[in-house]
Amino acid sequence: DAGVIQSPRHEVTEMGQEVTLRCKPISGHDYLFWYRQTMMRGLELLIYFNNNVPIDDSGMPEDRFSAKMPNASFSTLKIQPSEPRDSAVYFCASSVLAGADTQYFGPGTRLTVL
Amino acid sequence: QKEVEQDPGPLSVPEGAIVSLNCTYSNSAFQYFMWYRQYSRKGPELLMYTYSSGNKEDGRFTAQVDKSSKYISLFIRDSQPSDSATYLCAMAGGAQKLVFGQGTRLTINP
Repeated sequence: DAGVIQSPRHEVTEMGQEVTLRCKPISGHDYLFWYRQTMMRGLELLIYFNNNVPIDDSGMPEDRFSAKMPNASFSTLKIQPSEPRDSAVYFCASSVLAGADTQYFGPGTRLTVL
Repeated sequence: QKEVEQDPGPLSVPEGAIVSLNCTYSNSAFQYFMWYRQYSRKGPELLMYTYSSGNKEDGRFTAQVDKSSKYISLFIRDSQPSDSATYLCAMAGGAQKLVFGQGTRLTINP
């Protein structure tokens, strides 16, 4: 398997623009996670899905953030409108089980909002 | 107070040194303890996995868990420049979501 795939790898946008990040999990993994990583706050869980259904979105910082998983092989994280403080690396990860099961991370999307 | 506390470093040591990385936690329900390694501009990858208290060894790496003190450690023996990375502790209680520490940036100098 190719592992978790994320696109784009880098995104530079201007404040106020809509940003869409994409993720393809490993086939057969029922759980998908979206994380954000910054120097100040480390790795933060934003939202996770089980079998395409959002289970916990308590980490989503504001209504400007939304995530969808229309099918088992695709998820999006959207920021609208984007702000400079959203600049971070966004990771998608997938796993077979929840909790303590090994999570496999994608390479991340480095987002810069000017 | 965060559920998991980890000194972000950075930590810089000479090649061959023994490295000790640590995390403390507050949630008594945590039973599963992990260390992830993250190379620069890559995603984290699982390095070590321990259930409950005790030690686990894998080559030059040893993971220790002391549940009575709510303290976990990762030791690296004979450290190599290729060990330079950010190390994140992570823990969970059963089916609960994984909680990560902030990560410690480690540099091994040749």
